[in-house]
Amino acid sequence: DIVMTQSPATLSVSPGERATLSCRASQSVGNKLAWYQQKRGQAPRLLIYGVSTRATGIPARFSGSGSGTEFTLTISSLQSEDFAVYYCQQYNNWGYSFGQGTKLEIK
Amino acid sequence: EVQLVESGGRLIQPGGSLRLSCAASGLTISNNYMSWVRQAPGKGLEWLSVLYRGGSTYYADSVKGRFIISRDISNNTLYLQMNSLRAEDTAVYYCATLSSFDYWGQGTLVTVSS
Repeated sequence: DIVMTQSPATLSVSPGERATLSCRASQSVGNKLAWYQQKRGQAPRLLIYGVSTRATGIPARFSGSGSGTEFTLTISSLQSEDFAVYYCQQYNNWGYSFGQGTKLEIK
Repeated sequence: EVQLVESGGRLIQPGGSLRLSCAASGLTISNNYMSWVRQAPGKGLEWLSVLYRGGSTYYADSVKGRFIISRDISNNTLYLQMNSLRAEDTAVYYCATLSSFDYWGQGTLVTVSS
């Protein structure tokens, strides 16, 4: 199985600042990498798929980059509604796996 | 409007079996890759199983041999048969598309405890 490792576990950032979240895969996942946002008490929501393609309705302040085994989610100017838990997820022909999550909290 | 509605979660004793259902509307499950994902209390997301359009199935190591994913095309419903349940299977179970067409159910709670 492919193991996804996210860092940091918790990130404290002030509103209006930039947040950078990292995700590493135990082996290459090519471009089959997605990012999800989950708020307390809600189901996750897809933000990014195919490393860098924003899902429908996702604001431009969210961007994804990377390839192979190293990936990054960047939120350019944090809004109050962005404080949540973020998960990276790989998908290949033999299944999927999630990272353990990064909690983005208000500084 | 697409809706995925899970049901079947309840309190069950260790070693028992349970079948979860995910009824879909506005979406044809046989035309989509359908997955089960769970989230233990206060923990992260764990992918469990996927049923591809062609019928292939894959499982996470944590549930392989104990859980079975299936679908009923006539009822447009996805299932997860869970056997030999353990305390560590306690979680909210979601069905989801896990694709660019992103749809999740509201989840159903399974509690494994004596």
